[in-house]
Parts: sequence; C-alpha cells; structure tokens
Amino acid sequence: GENVEQHPSTLSVQEGDSAVIKCTYSDSASNYFPWYKQELGKRPQLIIDIRSNVGEKKDQRIAVTLNKTAKHFSLHITETQPEDSAVYFCASEGRTGNQFYFGTGTSLTVIP
Amino acid sequence: EAQVTQNPRYLITVTGKKLTVTCSQNMNHEYMSWYRQDPGLGLRQIYYSMNVEVTDKGDVPEGYKVSRKEKRNFPLILESPSPNQTSLYFCASSYSISYEQYFGPGTRLTVT
Repeated sequence: GENVEQHPSTLSVQEGDSAVIKCTYSDSASNYFPWYKQELGKRPQLIIDIRSNVGEKKDQRIAVTLNKTAKHFSLHITETQPEDSAVYFCASEGRTGNQFYFGTGTSLTVIP
Repeated sequence: EAQVTQNPRYLITVTGKKLTVTCSQNMNHEYMSWYRQDPGLGLRQIYYSMNVEVTDKGDVPEGYKVSRKEKRNFPLILESPSPNQTSLYFCASSYSISYEQYFGPGTRLTVT
C-alpha cells in the first residue's frame, strides 16, 4: 500500500531558528498533501496543505514545498517560537484517492 | 459550534468484552474515518466511509467493525477486544478525502 515516510523523528532547534521536516510518498497519483500539528494531549489540527498543481504554499511563518517528480514534500517553519513545540504529521491520500496515510510524526522542540 | 465528538474519552475493559466507541459530526461531512495512534507509528487508518452505507477498510482493519447508517454518526465496534488494541483512537471527518480533516478529542482505550 501507500507509504509515507517522515524524517526526522525528533528535532530540536533554538528559538528563532528554522525547522524543516521532510516526507516522501510512494503513489505518484496522490494529489493532496496536508500537514497536521498535534500538541501534547490534544487532537491533530491542520496547519497547512498543498495540492499537486502548485509547488509551494506559504502562510506566515509556515511554508510547504512539493516536488512531484521526486515524490517528496517538506514543511518549513521560520522564526520558531516555543509554542511551535509539538508533533507534526505529514499525510497523503492513497492510490484509490479514498484511503489516507500519515507519516510517523516529528517531535519538534523549540528551546527558548 | 462545528465539531466532532467521541464517547467515551477513556475506557478500560477486559479481553473479549464487546465495546462501541461513538463518533458524531455536525458539519454535514461526507468523509469520516477512524485512526489509531501508537507511539512511533503515527496515525493509522482503521476504516473510512465515503458516505452513508459506504465503508471500506483502511490500513489496520483487523478486529474492528464500523457502520454508517446516518451521515453524522460513525461508530467503531470492537467485537472481541484484545490487549493489542490498547491505543488512542481518533475519529475524523471532512468534506471529502482531499480536504481538511477535523478530529475528535480522542478515546484512550486500555484492554487488559
């Protein structure tokens, strides 16, 4: 089945630095790539998503890039703040377009 | 208020005792899904539903059942729970597969 691989599994950065999380997917037919943030003890919530017809999308300090040829997409967080500390999940739809696959998550710690 | 609700939030049970976790959404979403979250494994899809009376297996369906008799409800049934089903379960809903999924608060299940 579809495989979404996510790296790194843990990431620590100094406040103000940038953080980058990378994901690869296996199904070239996938068209939708969201990123979810899960704070400790909370439910996952969408922070940004990108569709296959664009290569980059930004929302304030957060950006996502997509390379369909290489089948990978990345989350970029600039000027990190302590409240960015959370687990981040990438995801993509599967081969049939009906199943959904999440990466294994990246635990981001922003050190004040 | 637009939301996804799950009940119960916490459940401790014994092996073999049938249980149901309810999920309800008030956003008129067509796509609903159940995930389990385990450390290091991310979110794995158990079952999903494209619409009323349409359900299909996700990545880890063994030991689970679902039904979608009404658009708003998508209960998860464990006919004979086993200790390996101890996990954190999330229900989610969205307009369709390629749109933001809204997650419920989660149900922490322990099977002894």
